[in-house]
Amino acid sequence: DTEVTQTPKHLVMGMTNKKSLKCEQHMGHRAMYWYKQKAKKPPELMFVYSYEKLSINESVPSRFSPECPNSSLLNLHLHALQPEDSALYLCASSQALGAYGYTFGSGTRLTVV
Amino acid sequence: AQKVTQAQTEISVVEKEDVTLDCVYETRDTTYYLFWYKQPPSGELVFLIRRNSFDEQNEISGRYSWNFQKSTSSFNFTITASQVVDSAVYFCALSGRNYGGSQGNLIFGKGTKLSVKP
Repeated sequence: DTEVTQTPKHLVMGMTNKKSLKCEQHMGHRAMYWYKQKAKKPPELMFVYSYEKLSINESVPSRFSPECPNSSLLNLHLHALQPEDSALYLCASSQALGAYGYTFGSGTRLTVV
Repeated sequence: AQKVTQAQTEISVVEKEDVTLDCVYETRDTTYYLFWYKQPPSGELVFLIRRNSFDEQNEISGRYSWNFQKSTSSFNFTITASQVVDSAVYFCALSGRNYGGSQGNLIFGKGTKLSVKP
C-alpha cells in the first residue's frame, strides 16, 4: 500500500461547525504533515508530526488542531473556521524527517460558508 | 533563507512541442534535495523526481528529463513531445527546515501552469 488516504474529499461547513479531516498511511512512514493550499498558490506547511513530536507553523490559528492517534493516522480538527480558511488541505507522509520522498494524499477541498 | 523561484507563471504550447520549466533555488544547507511535483486539476500532488545535492547527473524518464546545475542553483524540467495529458501545474520544491528548526518541510515554488493544446 503506497498511498496516503484522505477523507472526506469534499467538505462544506458553517462557521459554527466542528469537523475533522482524516489522513491515513500504511507505508510505515514516521513523519506526517498537513499542508494548506489556497487557489493558485503553492502548498504551505501547517503541521509536522514525527516520533510523537508536533511541530507547528505559528501562523496557523488555533481553530486548527492536529491530532496523531498513532503513527499511521493524522487528523485535523476544525472549529469555528472563517470563510478565508476555504482551501485544499493536503496530507503527506515521509519515511522520516529530512529529505525523503513525500507522498501526498489527494486532498480535502474545504469550503467554509 | 530557503527559497524556490519558478519565474514562469503560465506556459502554453501546442501538442508535440518540447517545453522546459525553470526552477531556481536558494539554500545555505550543504545537503539538500530537490523535487518536482505535478498537480492536475483534480488536486493531488504527483511526485515526479527527487534529486540530492551531491548528484548532478541529468536524468531522463521517458519524455521527462531534468537538468540539475549546482553552479547556477537551477533544476530545470523538460517535457519532450508534450501531450494534452501533461496539462497541469508543476511545482519545484526544496527540502527545508520546519518550524521546529529540524528538517521536514517542502518549500515550494509558486508553480508553473502548463497548458498543452491539441
